[in-house]
Amino acid sequence: DQQVKQNSPSLSVQEGRISILNCDYTNSMFDYFLWYKKYPAEGPTFLISISSIKDKNEDGRFTVFLNKSAKHLSLHIVPSQPGDSAVYFCAASDEGSSNTGKLIFGQGTTLQVKP
Amino acid sequence: DTGVSQNPRHKITKRGQNVTFRCDPISEHNRLYWYRQTLGQGPEFLTYFQNEAQLEKSRLLSDRFSAERPKGSFSTLEIQRTEQGDSAMYLCASRRGLGDTQYFGPGTRLTVL
Repeated sequence: DQQVKQNSPSLSVQEGRISILNCDYTNSMFDYFLWYKKYPAEGPTFLISISSIKDKNEDGRFTVFLNKSAKHLSLHIVPSQPGDSAVYFCAASDEGSSNTGKLIFGQGTTLQVKP
Repeated sequence: DTGVSQNPRHKITKRGQNVTFRCDPISEHNRLYWYRQTLGQGPEFLTYFQNEAQLEKSRLLSDRFSAERPKGSFSTLEIQRTEQGDSAMYLCASRRGLGDTQYFGPGTRLTVL
């Protein structure tokens, strides 16, 4: 069963506009959420995270929103730049009751930012 | 501050051969994870170490797979009698503790012919 889902395989936006990437989860025990960016043939690079006690976290051009009742989170990139073109993964973990903190990933969304 | 390193970056092997990958975590990170990523999918958890103790293994980790972390520093992942279905990117990540970010290495790309 897919506990973390990214339903949009790809997204294309114009440079300077907002990119919104979405992620849904089913496990209500998840309490820590992260976004990673990945280029081909490289490992995932951490972008931003949010704890379930918050509903928003901002870091520069990146903002993550968490809606716990809907079990939904989103990543906003403003303004989008061509260098943001990559695959973006949403990941979640159960930090509160799990002893491992292993990450459960979505399938990824390929973002293309056009100049 | 060096990041997580993995060696080799690429490995091509024939079916039935054994392969071993190495991961060097960020120093002082006592938690280490192995994941596997296949084309079009997100990384999937394989196994977890806290210091030298292997505390969780995914059912994805068949008995052909073994991982170690002697002395709680670097870790190795060995695959015996490789199969074509083992072809994937093998990723290692480390973190200081619960609630801290997991940082990933560049991965080892395995191709089984």
